[in-house]
Amino acid sequence: NAGVTQTPKFQVLKTGQSMTLQCAQDMNHNSMYWYRQDPGMGLRLIYYSASEGTTDKGEVPNGYNVSRLNKREFSLRLESAAPSQTSVYFCASTRQKTYGYTFGSGTRLTVV
Amino acid sequence: GESVGLHLPTLSVQEGDNSIINCAYSNSASDYFIWYKQESGKGPQFIIDIRSNMDKRQGQRVTVLLNKTVKHLSLQIAATQPGDSAVYFCAENIWDDKIIFGKGTRLHILP
Repeated sequence: NAGVTQTPKFQVLKTGQSMTLQCAQDMNHNSMYWYRQDPGMGLRLIYYSASEGTTDKGEVPNGYNVSRLNKREFSLRLESAAPSQTSVYFCASTRQKTYGYTFGSGTRLTVV
Repeated sequence: GESVGLHLPTLSVQEGDNSIINCAYSNSASDYFIWYKQESGKGPQFIIDIRSNMDKRQGQRVTVLLNKTVKHLSLQIAATQPGDSAVYFCAENIWDDKIIFGKGTRLHILP
């Protein structure tokens, strides 16, 4: 009963470095999402995947790429990290919208 | 544009009293609304949802009210407890499976 698992939990990057945030769910959900959460800004959608093999941009996609590796896994990549990408990143999944989302515990990323 | 907002960023409530957290939405086409609770250091947790064909839905100690005429959503928590301290987000579904979140209200419980 793991739900949505995100790794790593914490990460510090230097400006210009790259990294991939991993997300996996074991609930057989079709849709998966990446959000970022900044103080006073709530949760903003970066990218989402409505089903395996499809991805679409959300509200704030610039500077990010995603891969829906299979039904379980949805990764978020920062190719060249910038201080503006310092945030807490949450992955979520859902079977369909009227069942709400299940969130992971988040990745706290600091870019220096 | 389409957005979800909250009237108050912080709400302080005496333990045992009822809490009411309000939310305004701007997209009249939204058909599904959700309330989430986020405790410090954790991801948002689903509390309760409501579809646009309803105006009230009750759960355990929580009630969500939807007023489509004025595009207003509220979350009522009965007999507030210390464990209710958290940030509460309303969210609306505006298209397909994408949900847009409001900025959140912090609920602070006074002893």
